[in-house]
Amino acid sequence: DTEVTQTPKHLVMGMTNKKSLKCEQHMGHRAMYWYKQKAKKPPELMFVYSYEKLSINESVPSRFSPECPNSSLLNLHLHALQPEDSALYLCASKRGPENGYTFGSGTRLTVV
Amino acid sequence: GESVGLHLPTLSVQEGDNSIINCAYSNSASDYFIWYKQESGKGPQFIIDIRSNMDKRQGQRVTVLLNKTVKHLSLQIAATQPGDSAVYFCAEVRANSKLTFGKGITLSVRP
Repeated sequence: DTEVTQTPKHLVMGMTNKKSLKCEQHMGHRAMYWYKQKAKKPPELMFVYSYEKLSINESVPSRFSPECPNSSLLNLHLHALQPEDSALYLCASKRGPENGYTFGSGTRLTVV
Repeated sequence: GESVGLHLPTLSVQEGDNSIINCAYSNSASDYFIWYKQESGKGPQFIIDIRSNMDKRQGQRVTVLLNKTVKHLSLQIAATQPGDSAVYFCAEVRANSKLTFGKGITLSVRP
């Protein structure tokens, strides 16, 4: 298995909803990432987990809450989002400092 | 082939021509650089990378050149094909494994 799998592929949620995005990899990668990508813009880093511990939080609002239950799984819990949070949310993983990053296909999130 | 910096959003090339995509970076402390290709509805796909102690690296139909003096990175695609049409991003990796993307350019291949 050489993929990063993200679910769901599409999500529409209201501003009062609570939802979660899921990311899974079975490549033994020990670093996992969440990125946010707006239309026609580059991906922007949100969070980095290294060995299941949060190592970087790029000043992301608390309505986004990451979780890394184990070395294969990364979640992003969403609560009280705003319409401007609508974007493609990408997950990536990496084996180690000398290795490349593998991205999932993303979750297209729409907040209404 | 045509060469355009990342401050221009699109590059149009004829099928079979060579493409050159340029990128300027600002952080001289970056460990290595990566070129990604992103097709519509998909995540970024790794193309090629280059460490900061190298000047050139070649892959299948692609070459990356790094000029540290002027902080410039380029991606050359030989014999551009319709399947190469996508958005291309350069990205830099720093010591803390933080991957930061450049602005991106759309490559459009004319048949």
